[in-house]
Amino acid sequence: EVQLVESGGGLVQPGGSLRLACAASGFKFSSYSMNWVRQAPGKGLEWISYISGTGLTSAYIASVKGRFIISRDNAHNSLFLQMNSLRAEDTAVYYCTRDRRFPRGGYIDFWGQGALVTVSS
Amino acid sequence: DIQVTQSPSSLSASVGDRVTITCQANQTISNFLNWYQQRPGKAPQLLIYTASSLQTGVPSRFSGSGSGTDFTLTINNLQPDDFATYYCQQSFSTAPWTFGQGTKVEVK
Repeated sequence: EVQLVESGGGLVQPGGSLRLACAASGFKFSSYSMNWVRQAPGKGLEWISYISGTGLTSAYIASVKGRFIISRDNAHNSLFLQMNSLRAEDTAVYYCTRDRRFPRGGYIDFWGQGALVTVSS
Repeated sequence: DIQVTQSPSSLSASVGDRVTITCQANQTISNFLNWYQQRPGKAPQLLIYTASSLQTGVPSRFSGSGSGTDFTLTINNLQPDDFATYYCQQSFSTAPWTFGQGTKVEVK
């Protein structure tokens, strides 16, 4: 059974940093690209970052580029999101997700339960 | 970035109804359009991928259609479990993948 379990969420002051982790199990982790998707309170879904199975390729949405870093440790089946220079508008539930990605197209087939990040003074 | 616009933003329906939600992209995306369901307080779940393929385990009352810029999610014989928010998402671009704003299906 595929499982994705996020940790590391919490309350942080504006300008601060936080590192989210996602523990994956039930599948060959290194064979899949992974993403972080967030959802602000009462709002819709927003894809923010992706990393390839090898970790060599990544991408970010413009609003987090230069502040957030996605990484993975395939030896320990773990995905990470280092979030720096946090802003109030980064307040959201952050979901770790697995995708099926092709040369063109793809979809997210598994989601974690989410980790709440609150940026407030 | 490719934008996808869902309509309506909300709708009211009754058990047994047929519900239709549309998603329009601002440029052609072939059939690289997915649909997700999110129940309150839960993570989203994949319903339909590449416009019309039903994800394993999803009831056959859910169906998707469309290509190019216009797509539709249809729910036949609406069930109590189906009152939720639905999102479309395009994957034509490598990044970013973008979601529609969501459609909340509420009890009439």
